Amino acid sequence: GAVVSQHPSWVICKSGTSVKIECRSLDFQATTMFWYRQFPKQSLMLMATSNEGSKATYEQGVEKDKFLINHASLTLSTLTVTSAHPEDSSFYICSASLRGRADSGANVLTFGAGSRLTVL
Amino acid sequence: DAKTTQPTSMDCAEGRAANLPCNHSTISGNEYVYWYRQIHSQGPQYIIHGLKNNETNEMASLIITEDRKSSTLILPHATLRDTAVYYCIVRVNFGNEKLTFGTGTRLTIIP
Repeated sequence: GAVVSQHPSWVICKSGTSVKIECRSLDFQATTMFWYRQFPKQSLMLMATSNEGSKATYEQGVEKDKFLINHASLTLSTLTVTSAHPEDSSFYICSASLRGRADSGANVLTFGAGSRLTVL
Repeated sequence: DAKTTQPTSMDCAEGRAANLPCNHSTISGNEYVYWYRQIHSQGPQYIIHGLKNNETNEMASLIITEDRKSSTLILPHATLRDTAVYYCIVRVNFGNEKLTFGTGTRLTIIP
């Protein structure tokens, strides 16, 4: 089945540094990937939609200069948290779209295992 | 995408069927019902989806009412590993691929 790999699974960094999280679709090509953020005991919040070869589309309230998204190939999207601060500590999850059969109407998203960022 | 309403939490005894309800009274004719679940500290996992007919796969069954205003996800024989937050999401399949998550139902399987 479709697999999305995220790396690293957890990272601890000092305040003011930048952290890059990778999201790879291992056995399929993903023209669109999505980045979510989840704070403790809360639901997933969509941050941005990443389209291969074009600029990402950010949700309202998400700073595009702080959360840099690059989708340079059909199997890799990266999220860079620039100048991270303790309030950026969160669980970051990526997902990729895997279209099903044309007649099924399915449009299933496959999610990575998530990356837990802790900023000291 | 149409809004959904789910109970905040539910308990189910191990080995019994877990029935998770979802209300989506404003669903449009071209919107599908999707179910995902999230086990603690993991990414969400796709379970099942449907448009208007009942669906079954190796994980679960999805029962959609005739008026499509509500649905029920059924886990036929719940195990401890089914403890998770279950999200019911309605969305169109084309033109808007993103998933918008609500608060979901926290299902706890009791030994």
